[in-house]
Amino acid sequence: DIQMTQSPSSLSASVGDRVTITCRASQSISRYVNWYQQKPGKAPKLVIYVTSILQNGVPARFSGSGSGTDFTLTISSLQPEDFATYYCQQSYITPFTFGQGTELKIK
Amino acid sequence: QVQLQESGPGLVRPSGTLSLTCAVSGASLSDVYCWGWVRQSPGKGLEWIGKIYPAGSVDYNPSLKSRVTMSMDKSKNQFSLDVRSMTAADTAVYYCVIERFGGGTPAINWFDPWGQGILVTVSS
Repeated sequence: DIQMTQSPSSLSASVGDRVTITCRASQSISRYVNWYQQKPGKAPKLVIYVTSILQNGVPARFSGSGSGTDFTLTISSLQPEDFATYYCQQSYITPFTFGQGTELKIK
Repeated sequence: QVQLQESGPGLVRPSGTLSLTCAVSGASLSDVYCWGWVRQSPGKGLEWIGKIYPAGSVDYNPSLKSRVTMSMDKSKNQFSLDVRSMTAADTAVYYCVIERFGGGTPAINWFDPWGQGILVTVSS
């Protein structure tokens, strides 16, 4: 199975900050990475797919980049509604696998 | 707007079988998507269980393959998951998901939307 490793596991930031979350795959997966946002008690929600395509309705402050084994999710100016846990997921080959999550907390 | 809704028992006895159903609204099981299941537990995080294609073929996570069966009922527009020989390690929130596709080889794909999830506890 392809292992997806996110860093950091937890991140404290303030409204207006720029934050970057990193995801590393255990082997090359081209651009087959998706990112999800999950708030407590809710299902994950798609934010970005195929590395950098914003899901409909997702604000432009979210962006994604990378290829091969290293990927990033960046939020350019944190808003209160962005505090959540974020997961990367590889969609290159089954079994699809997820990172362990990055909890984004208010400082 | 496509919506998914899981249903099933919240409690399963050890060694028992979990049976979950996902009702689909706003889309048809004959549409060009795959219909899948993902679970989330504190110990293992998010884990892909498997998917069923519109024609009925399946692809399961090898870690669960011996205990899992997925099926679909197009007349009811719903799909189902059975997990046999449940243990405490199977305690999790179970989500049904739509796997959407784009172009490319392999095809690009992503999960959207997700059902709200159902908490399943394995306990005697």
